Amino acid sequence: DQQVKQNSPSLSVQEGRISILNCDYTNSMFDYFLWYKKYPAEGPTFLISISSIKDKNEDGRFTVFLNKSAKHLSLHIVPSQPGDSAVYFCAASEDFGNEKLTFGTGTRLTIIP
Amino acid sequence: NAGVTQTPKFQVLKTGQSMTLQCAQDMNHEYMSWYRQDPGMGLRLIHYSVGAGITDQGEVPNGYNVSRSTTEDFPLRLLSAAPSQTSVYFCASRAPGETQYFGPGTRLLVL
Repeated sequence: DQQVKQNSPSLSVQEGRISILNCDYTNSMFDYFLWYKKYPAEGPTFLISISSIKDKNEDGRFTVFLNKSAKHLSLHIVPSQPGDSAVYFCAASEDFGNEKLTFGTGTRLTIIP
Repeated sequence: NAGVTQTPKFQVLKTGQSMTLQCAQDMNHEYMSWYRQDPGMGLRLIHYSVGAGITDQGEVPNGYNVSRSTTEDFPLRLLSAAPSQTSVYFCASRAPGETQYFGPGTRLLVL
């Protein structure tokens, strides 16, 4: 039972355009959400997070939107750059600081120069 | 700081063999975790530790043992490897109030 789902295994976006990566979850106890970025042969690195008390969090070119009623979050990257090509994982936990993270299956983003 | 280091990078085992995946961090982080990543699946938590001497099970603990005798080290032991344990293993650490830092991973193949 996949509690965190990323239904698009891959996404290609032109350089300079907006990349939108989506994530859905089923567990209503999830209260804290994170996005990680992963390059080949490296571990995931933290990108941005959002608590359920907010519906938007922004950090430079990265913005995460949370729709709790729809159990949906999205990561927007604008403008997209070639270095953004990576696999992006959505993750969720029941509260901030909870070691038990549940990860999605990942979306491979390719930025086309 | 070296961050989170994992050894070996790659290992081939035969079914039934045992081995220990090493994980060390030099950031004095209290919390450490082990995940596995399989094709088509997200990272799944195996075991975690909230401090030296304290460990707990994650989502997929069967077939794995851990111990945390020091703050720096968190080894993962496979007592009798099975083909189902073929995976990429990631170790992570963090301080309270911070997000996790992941190591580069160990790729394990069990024949």
